[in-house]
Amino acid sequence: GAVVSQHPSWVICKSGTSVKIECRSLDFQATTMFWYRQFPKQSLMLMATSNEGSKATYEQGVEKDKFLINHASLTLSTLTVTSAHPEDSSFYICSATPAGAGGPGTKNIQYFGAGTRLSVL
Amino acid sequence: DAKTTQPTSMDCAEGRAANLPCNHSTISGNEYVYWYRQIHSQGPQYIIHGLKNNETNEMASLIITEDRKSSTLILPHATLRDTAVYYCIVRLRMGAQKLVFGQGTRLTINP
Repeated sequence: GAVVSQHPSWVICKSGTSVKIECRSLDFQATTMFWYRQFPKQSLMLMATSNEGSKATYEQGVEKDKFLINHASLTLSTLTVTSAHPEDSSFYICSATPAGAGGPGTKNIQYFGAGTRLSVL
Repeated sequence: DAKTTQPTSMDCAEGRAANLPCNHSTISGNEYVYWYRQIHSQGPQYIIHGLKNNETNEMASLIITEDRKSSTLILPHATLRDTAVYYCIVRLRMGAQKLVFGQGTRLTINP
């Protein structure tokens, strides 16, 4: 099956610093990737939709200047948490859909990374 | 996307069939039912999806009622590794559609 790799799996940083999280589709191309955030005992909340070669689309209430998304290639999207603060501590998860998904004969499945646990001190 | 309703939690004995219900009474004709699960501290995993016919794969079976207003995910022989939160999501199949996650059902498989 399709594999999405997310790195790092766990990161601790000091308040005020920036952290970059990478999401790679290893065996397929993804024109669209998604970034989610999950707080303890809560469900996944979509933060933004990342489109290759264009600006990301952010969900309401998500600060685009704080959560920078870059999708420079068909296999890589990055999320940078700028000037991180303790309230940004969370589990960040990316997902990717194979290019052309949704077309005839495809399943249109989103494949998820293993997640990145961010702790801001 | 149509809203779904799932029980908050369920228990099942190891080796037995786990039947997870989902209500989606406002589903539209071109929306599919997708099931994902999330094992603790991992990313969600796709399980199965369907439109109106029953579906089966190596992981599970999906039974959709004739009026499509509800469905049941069946894990035929549950193991301890099936303990997870199971999400029922209704969405269009076409295009790169985002997934909107509800609270899901926390399934605990007991030895």
